[in-house]
Amino acid sequence: AQKITQTQPGMFVQEKEAVTLDCTYDTSDPSYGLFWYKQPSSGEMIFLIYQGSYDQQNATEGRYSLNFQKARKSANLVISASQLGDSAMYFCAMRELQKGGANSKLTFGKGITLSVRP
Amino acid sequence: DSGVTQTPKHLITATGQRVTLRCSPRSGDLSVYWYQQSLDQGLQFLIQYYNGEERAKGNILERFSAQQFPDLHSELNLSSLELGDSALYFCASSTRRDNEQFFGPGTRLTVL
Repeated sequence: AQKITQTQPGMFVQEKEAVTLDCTYDTSDPSYGLFWYKQPSSGEMIFLIYQGSYDQQNATEGRYSLNFQKARKSANLVISASQLGDSAMYFCAMRELQKGGANSKLTFGKGITLSVRP
Repeated sequence: DSGVTQTPKHLITATGQRVTLRCSPRSGDLSVYWYQQSLDQGLQFLIQYYNGEERAKGNILERFSAQQFPDLHSELNLSSLELGDSALYFCASSTRRDNEQFFGPGTRLTVL
């Protein structure tokens, strides 16, 4: 079963406007983490933001915020004041705890392409 | 710069050959993860090492193997290469707290 779902087609946003990138997830673990990564055309994976399943408040990192709705199993990324450099592929990922609480692999969604228009 | 280094950046080779990809994690990180990114499969987890021991395996082919050395660097060995192995291979590392996985710049493998 698909654990991370990103179904939006390519997204477009006008420079300086806000944009929301959708992500839904599926897990039966009570403890998990949700991540967003940015992958520009150069190929590197850049960590943006993290939300733990027990975190009471939505995570924020500069212009990035995560709209975490636990009951709906969604973790949407909000980018405020879009910049031309935000044009990239964005991946949502989930980490579930392995047995013994060890560090765990990430499961990624298929990604969303964001294009920022001047 | 994430602090994770990967070499080489690009690798072009022929079918049937064997290659080794190298990764050095961030200073102090004990966990190393290998991921494969291809057009058809997306980003997939291959294997994880923690302080020299294999911790988890994902969709890693039997032709592929990895190890983590005492100095914590890791190598991913790909053998009997096929055209379909062409992909971007990422290494990532994390702290024990694991709130972030830091990715290296990747190695782009092209099999001709």
